Amino acid sequence: DAGVIQSPRHEVTEMGQEVTLRCKPISGHDYLFWYRQTMMRGLELLIYFNNNVPIDDSGMPEDRFSAKMPNASFSTLKIQPSEPRDSAVYFCASSLFPPRGEKLFFGSGTQLSVL
Amino acid sequence: GESVGLHLPTLSVQEGDNSIINCAYSNSASDYFIWYKQESGKGPQFIIDIRSNMDKRQGQRVTVLLNKTVKHLSLQIAATQPGDSAVYFCAEMRAGGNEKLTFGTGTRLTIIP
Repeated sequence: DAGVIQSPRHEVTEMGQEVTLRCKPISGHDYLFWYRQTMMRGLELLIYFNNNVPIDDSGMPEDRFSAKMPNASFSTLKIQPSEPRDSAVYFCASSLFPPRGEKLFFGSGTQLSVL
Repeated sequence: GESVGLHLPTLSVQEGDNSIINCAYSNSASDYFIWYKQESGKGPQFIIDIRSNMDKRQGQRVTVLLNKTVKHLSLQIAATQPGDSAVYFCAEMRAGGNEKLTFGTGTRLTIIP
C-alpha cells in the first residue's frame, strides 16, 4: 500500500483565494483525520470522520474551513477565503480502528503558504 | 487549559550517547500516551506507546517512562544514531475522549556526529 496520499505537497496562494487540500486514506481504513501543524500551536486536530461521516469538527477554526469525505477513498479540506494566518502544514491521517498509537498513519502533509 | 507540553524545545546529543526527551501533561484522566517521530518533510510516525496502568515500556532502543504522580512522560533513546535526528512529539488520549489524540508541541533532537 502506498500509504496516506496527500496533494498538493506545496500550495502557495494569495489571501482571499480558495484552497482545496486532498487526501486519499489507506484502503480499508475507517477513520480519517485532518490535522494542522504550526510552530506556535503544534499539531491540532481539525476534524475527523468515521465511515465517511464527520464525527467531531470542533477543531475547525471557523466557517472558512470545511471538510468533506464523499467516499471511503477521498477527502478534501477547503479554506475559503484563505488568510495568511492559515499558513501551516496540513496533515491527513487514517486508521483502521480508533487510533491507538501504531494504528494511525499520517500522510506527508501539504505545506500551505497564504501570501 | 488542559495541555500536553514539553520541557525543552531542542536537544543536541552526541552520536552513540543516550537521549531523554521529556513531556508533561495536565489531565489526570489521560489513560494512553504515544510518542511520535517526525522527520523533515514527513508526517509523524509512531514510535512507542504506553497505557496508564504501566510505568515503563521498552521497544527497540527506546523506552518510555510514565510517572502518573507528577504527570510526566519521557522517551529514552539508547545509543543514538544520525537517523534519530527528528522532532519528537508526545500525544495523549483521554479516557472517554473518543478517538482524539492531543499532541504536544515537540522537541527537536539533533544528533552530533
